[in-house]
Amino acid sequence: GAGVSQSPSNKVTEKGKDVELRCDPISGHTALYWYRQSLGQGLEFLIYFQGNSAPDKSGLPSDRFSAERTGGSVSTLTIQRTQQEDSAVYLCASSLISSAGPNEQFFGPGTRLTVL
Amino acid sequence: AQKVTQAQTEISVVEKEDVTLDCVYETRDTTYYLFWYKQPPSGELVFLIRRNSFDEQNEISGRYSWNFQKSTSSFNFTITASQVVDSAVYFCALRRGAGNMLTFGGGTRLMVKP
Repeated sequence: GAGVSQSPSNKVTEKGKDVELRCDPISGHTALYWYRQSLGQGLEFLIYFQGNSAPDKSGLPSDRFSAERTGGSVSTLTIQRTQQEDSAVYLCASSLISSAGPNEQFFGPGTRLTVL
Repeated sequence: AQKVTQAQTEISVVEKEDVTLDCVYETRDTTYYLFWYKQPPSGELVFLIRRNSFDEQNEISGRYSWNFQKSTSSFNFTITASQVVDSAVYFCALRRGAGNMLTFGGGTRLMVKP
């Protein structure tokens, strides 16, 4: 079946502009995650969705970052007033949820964001 | 707090050599899950294995094998008879038993030369 897809694959923006990154999870996966991968910080967790609600937003670095998920499927990560330090690869993952909690996460190809 | 350490930032081997990637973790939880992911040059993280904290059996899958030792908080990954296609960055990760997010190690870049 289809894996996790993300769009755009690359995004170049100017400092101060807003950007929206999209994630389509694997069909039927209730859990959805956003991570950020940058040279200096490695792979960092941003936010977790269970269905349409986000019980864990602890990784969002500032109030410029927000995310939503609709219909238990597509998610959008929005960064307002982008800064150069926001430049990174933004990865989305999804997983099933069992009685033992979320299962292994399957990742999308990522969106490479460059803020000039 | 959870922490994953991959002390080897980069390893270079010649094809057909065996190579072991080290992973050491820290957690206060009694129930937790450990993972290995592969990130080839294309960039997409590929799931390799999940191991539960209550299952210390080693696992072998083809040329890949994993050694989980709770006594030393390690979950090492061995590739036997490495191939050029194994060249990638490998990440070890930890999830709390009742948690959801993955805590990743810094990754080990493996280069397999022909």
